[in-house]
Amino acid sequence: AQSVTQLGSHVSVSEGALVLLRCNYSSSVPPYLFWYVQYPNQGLQLLLKYTTGATLVKGINGFEAEFKKSETSFHLTKPSAHMSDAAEYFCAVSDIQGAQKLVFGQGTRLTINP
Amino acid sequence: DSGVTQTPKHLITATGQRVTLRCSPRSGDLSVYWYQQSLDQGLQFLIQYYNGEERAKGNILERFSAQQFPDLHSELNLSSLELGDSALYFCASSVDLGNTEAFFGQGTRLTVV
Repeated sequence: AQSVTQLGSHVSVSEGALVLLRCNYSSSVPPYLFWYVQYPNQGLQLLLKYTTGATLVKGINGFEAEFKKSETSFHLTKPSAHMSDAAEYFCAVSDIQGAQKLVFGQGTRLTINP
Repeated sequence: DSGVTQTPKHLITATGQRVTLRCSPRSGDLSVYWYQQSLDQGLQFLIQYYNGEERAKGNILERFSAQQFPDLHSELNLSSLELGDSALYFCASSVDLGNTEAFFGQGTRLTVV
């Protein structure tokens, strides 16, 4: 069975500082990995995804993530935080066989301090 | 706007009642997924339909059922509601079965009182 662990339910950074949200996964097959963002009272929006190929994936809003198979990790980073980045972030995994049945982590709430 | 429409946005109902949540996928998307988001369980996959057929099932209670109609819209039926069913229910759609991007609706917030 697949699972996702997001380290830290709350992360707080200053505006302009590096954002690092941690995600570790468990999967018995090569995984597809995703980061979604949820703004208050909104649905989930895809930030980026890794399927195959280049392990460093760039997404929207300046975010990127690196797939590290040896560490079973897919951490999300952004060099410089902006106030508008305050939201909840979810890491998710699905298997390679198709049906995009996503298994989500518990989420990390990101707060940006002025 | 993701293009996925969920109605209603909010629903308050009493225990024991039955409700129907509706989802219209993005134009051209054949696959519809239902997820439940609650404080204690987080985001959990419930069920997936593809072109009218059930394709995958997750942690969906027997009191819950879903279907996808010929026009590809989907309904999630929740019956014999309990307080613990209070949650945000999301619908997502994608073009096909592969690991393409799934687009999420804004959710239906169900409150059972």
